[in-house]
Amino acid sequence: TQLLEQSPQFLSIQEGENLTVYCNSSSVFSSLQWYRQEPGEGPVLLVTVVTGGEVKKLKRLTFQFGDARKDSSLHITAAQPGDTGLYLCAVFPRQAGTALIFGKGTTLSVSS
Amino acid sequence: GAVVSQHPSWVICKSGTSVKIECRSLDFQATTMFWYRQFPKQSLMLMATSNEGSKATYEQGVEKDKFLINHASLTLSTLTVTSAHPEDSSFYICSARDSGTSTDTQYFGPGTRLTVL
Repeated sequence: TQLLEQSPQFLSIQEGENLTVYCNSSSVFSSLQWYRQEPGEGPVLLVTVVTGGEVKKLKRLTFQFGDARKDSSLHITAAQPGDTGLYLCAVFPRQAGTALIFGKGTTLSVSS
Repeated sequence: GAVVSQHPSWVICKSGTSVKIECRSLDFQATTMFWYRQFPKQSLMLMATSNEGSKATYEQGVEKDKFLINHASLTLSTLTVTSAHPEDSSFYICSARDSGTSTDTQYFGPGTRLTVL
């Protein structure tokens, strides 16, 4: 059983469109992170959400943590080709100091 | 910010040989490092937790005798893929946790692409 369910798995859109990626779980987490990874590189941290209902914005990216801290979403407004990449949500499911566990990821392709 | 490096960035080897991958924390100390494996178009899967001065902890299904981990110093962990086979071809990524802070932030290396012929 996958701890984090991400959807959609693949997304191909045109420049200027909006999109939302979802990360869901049946477990409650103290925090949740979103990463972006480009081919051949390590993942880069975009944001950490901590409080239930929290909304964080990073330019055209809006991240929301569910009220119950079981799910999160990433919304991109007016997508650009530079947004292309693999988007991953991740949590620390075990005690502090242990490894991040990742969702299956969403591969986004934005064409001009 | 904290930087983690990996060496080599890519390696090609023959089936049956062993390959060593290094993971270094460049400007912080890391008592704990983590090794992940990523197949094409898939997510990162945790392989093992590397603890400085003690044995690594492996995830279920990961062969400890095949993937040897050594964490001999506070800034270096190595992953050796022994008797590599084509199915071991993958992208290996390490991460390190800064021992000097109370946060759970992990810093990721750039990855190592292993191709076994």
